[in-house]
Amino acid sequence: AQSVTQLDSQVPVFEEAPVELRCNYSSSVSVYLFWYVQYPNQGLQLLLKYLSGSTLVESINGFEAEFNKSQTSFHLRKPSVHISDTAEYFCAVRNNAGNMLTFGGGTRLMVKP
Amino acid sequence: GAGVSQSPRYKVAKRGQDVALRCDPISGHVSLFWYQQALGQGPEFLTYFQNEAQLDKSGLPSDRFFAERPEGSVSTLKIQRTQQEDSAVYLCASSSRARGEAFFGQGTRLTVV
Repeated sequence: AQSVTQLDSQVPVFEEAPVELRCNYSSSVSVYLFWYVQYPNQGLQLLLKYLSGSTLVESINGFEAEFNKSQTSFHLRKPSVHISDTAEYFCAVRNNAGNMLTFGGGTRLMVKP
Repeated sequence: GAGVSQSPRYKVAKRGQDVALRCDPISGHVSLFWYQQALGQGPEFLTYFQNEAQLDKSGLPSDRFFAERPEGSVSTLKIQRTQQEDSAVYLCASSSRARGEAFFGQGTRLTVV
């Protein structure tokens, strides 16, 4: 069994400030890790993923996440947020033997001008 | 089509009514998933198809929930005798291979009154 914990349900931040959205997981086997973003009235979109290799992964819009196996974490960071980053962010895991994703409860990022 | 399409976008059902939710996956995608997202929570896995075969239905909450994909393309999630706790957004996702990137539809918001 595996689980994902996103400790912060809401993160308010001012525009151009840095942000970190936390994600911790538990699993008895190796996992793949994902961050999805959900803009208002839209479906989930894949933001970035860790499958293997470099533990630091980046998205095209400036987000990055680092896989830390010893701390079982996959925190999402951005050095300077924009108003348009306001959305719900979901961390998810998939074990290497399965097909389905296990999601965290989500973190609502609210960027204020 | 360009993406995963779900219909209807919104459904209001009276308690005890049967409902059917439709998912049109991306053309050619062999894998199809259904998830349930309750208000304020992350999506939870319901069931998984590979082509027309339902390989995993461990997440279906009760025998009132039934999913099918008879021709390996369009899928229907049916809920019989709806109850208030069934109120949620139902998300469909498809991928081109068993463990490929999952693309999500916008979901169907079901409200049981």
